[in-house]
Amino acid sequence: QVQLVESGGGVVQPGRSLRLSCAASGFIFSTYGMHWVRQAPGKGLEWVTIIWYDGSNKYYADSVKGRFTISRDNSKNTLYLQMNSLRVEDTAVYYCAKDGGNGSFDLWGQGTMVAVSS
Amino acid sequence: DIVMTQSPLSLPVTPGEPASISCRSSQSLLHSNGYNYLNWYVQKPGQSPQLLIYLGSSRASGVPDRFSGSGSGTEFTLKISRVEAEDVGDYYCMQGLQTPFTFGPGTKVLIK
Repeated sequence: QVQLVESGGGVVQPGRSLRLSCAASGFIFSTYGMHWVRQAPGKGLEWVTIIWYDGSNKYYADSVKGRFTISRDNSKNTLYLQMNSLRVEDTAVYYCAKDGGNGSFDLWGQGTMVAVSS
Repeated sequence: DIVMTQSPLSLPVTPGEPASISCRSSQSLLHSNGYNYLNWYVQKPGQSPQLLIYLGSSRASGVPDRFSGSGSGTEFTLKISRVEAEDVGDYYCMQGLQTPFTFGPGTKVLIK
């Protein structure tokens, strides 16, 4: 079925790194842009980054620019988020989301929790 | 960055009654193609967000027709014609016109 499944979350100390993965199925992954969106505990939604369908363009929120890197492997139908120099304020549930082609996110994963704590 | 605001932030509703949420953007979301790049999402308790409305007024696949979106430019509205108990959750507007994509603070819909 059409779905996105995130993995790779966990508890990490400030300054360390973590890589999230998002496995896509049920649609032609290589033809869609993909996003990461996060939600801090008890807070609202924050867009993090987008990668175009072919990986040719990437954009980031200022809060993560220079620390996070989005990438994708279209042969494996998988999206990644490499998070370096993690901060306490990066603590959140991270969702991957499929771009609907019209400025919307039309499919979301179940999310993976990242907790940055000493 | 485009700033999104919503009102109210909390909305107690009675099942069977209508409900309405307002969303404003700090810049026009009207693209030169004539579409407003404004989306509505709902996040039900314990679940991931899901798309309700895209391009200001188009219902996403599977969304009941009691949900409707309207507005243009900088002012938008999500309406629920007759609230059902399953509609409780947090409703977010989001602009998809330019990066960084930005969300409103959310409106918590709860049953009275």
